[in-house]
Amino acid sequence: GNSVTQMEGPVTLSEEAFLTINCTYTATGYPSLFWYVQYPGEGLQLLLKATKADDKGSNKGFEATYRKETTSFHLEKGSVQVSDSAVYFCALSDPPRQDSSYKLIFGSGTRLLVRP
Amino acid sequence: EAGVAQSPRYKIIEKRQSVAFWCNPISGHATLYWYQQILGQGPKLLIQFQNNGVVDDSQLPKDRFSAERLKGVDSTLKIQPAKLEDSAVYLCASSRETNSYNEQFFGPGTRLTVL
Repeated sequence: GNSVTQMEGPVTLSEEAFLTINCTYTATGYPSLFWYVQYPGEGLQLLLKATKADDKGSNKGFEATYRKETTSFHLEKGSVQVSDSAVYFCALSDPPRQDSSYKLIFGSGTRLLVRP
Repeated sequence: EAGVAQSPRYKIIEKRQSVAFWCNPISGHATLYWYQQILGQGPKLLIQFQNNGVVDDSQLPKDRFSAERLKGVDSTLKIQPAKLEDSAVYLCASSRETNSYNEQFFGPGTRLTVL
């Protein structure tokens, strides 16, 4: 079945460092890909998404490009801030059955710690 | 616009006891999801409703878990009886009703500890 694999954390960086969190997926067909973020004590929030190959999703300085040839959707940010400390989840959408909405399949999450 | 509301935020019970969680989705969202997030793992879908009908409950342990969404708005998820391995955060999410992808909005979750 479809699945998502993320790099294990925690990832610890100093403020203004470059961030990469790796994500690869296994899927039949052409899923949409997402990054969700979970700040301490809060619910999951959509960070960015890409719906087809070579699309680049971006938001709040974060970017990820849908690479079909490598089945990857790595998250990057050029200069992280302390406020970026959170858990980041890569996810894909399972194609829907008739009359249903898309179902999300999540990776296990990567905790990011940014130190001042 | 108010977000997805869940209660309680925390619950501690003994194994073999029963527990219920409540979710109020964003107004106008026809699709409601319950996820289970075990510590160190990503959320796993338990059940998906479209209005008040179930469209996917393939990963719901039906011998102990049940869920309903009366009138197509609020939803409750029940565990009876609870096991130690049910300790997790239970997330509710909602999205608009269309045939293409719509963003799922998540509530803060209910953290369940089974002793």
